[in-house]
Amino acid sequence: EVQLVESGGGLVQPGGSLRLSCAASGFIFSNYEMNWVRQAPGKGLEWVSYISSSGITIYYADSVKGRFTVSRDNARNSLYLQMNSLRVEDTAVYYCARDGRRFDPWGQGTLVTVSS
Amino acid sequence: DIQMTQSPSSLSASVGDRVTITCRTSQSIATYLNWYQQRPGKAPKLLIYTASSLQSGVPSRFSGSGSGTDFTLTISSLQPEDFATYYCQQSHTFPRTFGQGTKVEIK
Repeated sequence: EVQLVESGGGLVQPGGSLRLSCAASGFIFSNYEMNWVRQAPGKGLEWVSYISSSGITIYYADSVKGRFTVSRDNARNSLYLQMNSLRVEDTAVYYCARDGRRFDPWGQGTLVTVSS
Repeated sequence: DIQMTQSPSSLSASVGDRVTITCRTSQSIATYLNWYQQRPGKAPKLLIYTASSLQSGVPSRFSGSGSGTDFTLTISSLQPEDFATYYCQQSHTFPRTFGQGTKVEIK
């Protein structure tokens, strides 16, 4: 079964840092591009970041550029999102999703709350 | 960035109704348009990709059409489990962008 499982969310103060992980199983992780997508409470979906299968090509949403860093470890079948200089408006459920010109599947999400 | 405009933002319908949701993009994206369903408290689920291809395991009452800048998602006969929020998303260009969502509620 193809599965993605996020972890690492929690409560952090404004200006703080957090590292999210996404563990992949059931498919050849190194063959696929991956994304992070977030959803603020009661709001719609917002794409955050993309990383190619090799990790060479990376894109970010303007809202996180310069603060977030996406990476992957193909040997560990894992995707990461390092989030620095966190703001209250970064509060959201963060999902990882496999690419292929479409997001499928998605993980269950991990909640990040930025608050003092 | 490509702007996505979904309509309506919400609708009320009854079981058995035919429902149509539209998505308009600010520039042509050929058929690089996907549709997702999200039930409360759950992750989004892919329904339709490249505008009209039905994802494996998705009931055939869901269909998609369109190309260029205008797209539609149709549910031919609404079922109780279809009450959810639906999002369109373009995969033509980065940044990837989503529509604002259409909430389908029970009448």
